[in-house]
Amino acid sequence: AQKVTQAQTEISVVEKEDVTLDCVYETRDTTYYLFWYKQPPSGELVFLIRRNSFDEQNEISGRYSWNFQKSTSSFNFTITASQVVDSAVYFCALSEVDSSNTGKLIFGQGTTLQVKP
Amino acid sequence: NAGVTQTPKFQVLKTGQSMTLQCAQDMNHEYMSWYRQDPGMGLRLIHYSVGAGITDQGEVPNGYNVSRSTTEDFPLRLLSAAPSQTSVYFCASRRLAGRALSTDTQYFGPGTRLTVL
Repeated sequence: AQKVTQAQTEISVVEKEDVTLDCVYETRDTTYYLFWYKQPPSGELVFLIRRNSFDEQNEISGRYSWNFQKSTSSFNFTITASQVVDSAVYFCALSEVDSSNTGKLIFGQGTTLQVKP
Repeated sequence: NAGVTQTPKFQVLKTGQSMTLQCAQDMNHEYMSWYRQDPGMGLRLIHYSVGAGITDQGEVPNGYNVSRSTTEDFPLRLLSAAPSQTSVYFCASRRLAGRALSTDTQYFGPGTRLTVL
């Protein structure tokens, strides 16, 4: 069955530290998409990245980077030199293509990141 | 573009009351959906629509009705509110990409925080 696991419920770091948020997924599909969303204290959901199952290249966007490894079914998210504004809940999500026609996003439970000054 | 808008932002209901959560998007997206967010459970799909006049159930549809009379609007109705429906509700939309409903990024509205007493 499809599932997304974010084992880290809460992480606390001091500003300028690097931090990695883990995401492990389960799916039987060969075609699927993975996403990361950020939910700041204001509550909205902000799209960060989308990656399809055929593209295992790592991606870097400023201080953010993503490591997608199909061999371990993981899609981890690293923030380099964290800042207080990075404090938020981060969600990893899976969207299957082969077995599902609902367009459903399957979300992990979320990881709360607190960056202290 | 305003993107995805939701009203109201906050609502308190008594058990048994009915209400409609409004959702609108101005991006001409065919696909719209409703999720609920509960602590420790991520977001779960309630209902979705692939176009005007077409709706279907998601993972947790009981107690909710939807309709889609226009491309822009996708209201969510609670016919008889229950305390178990206390949650944060998010509406989302995205383009449809041919057969593969799951391929494009979903954009979320700001959410409605609902409390049922």
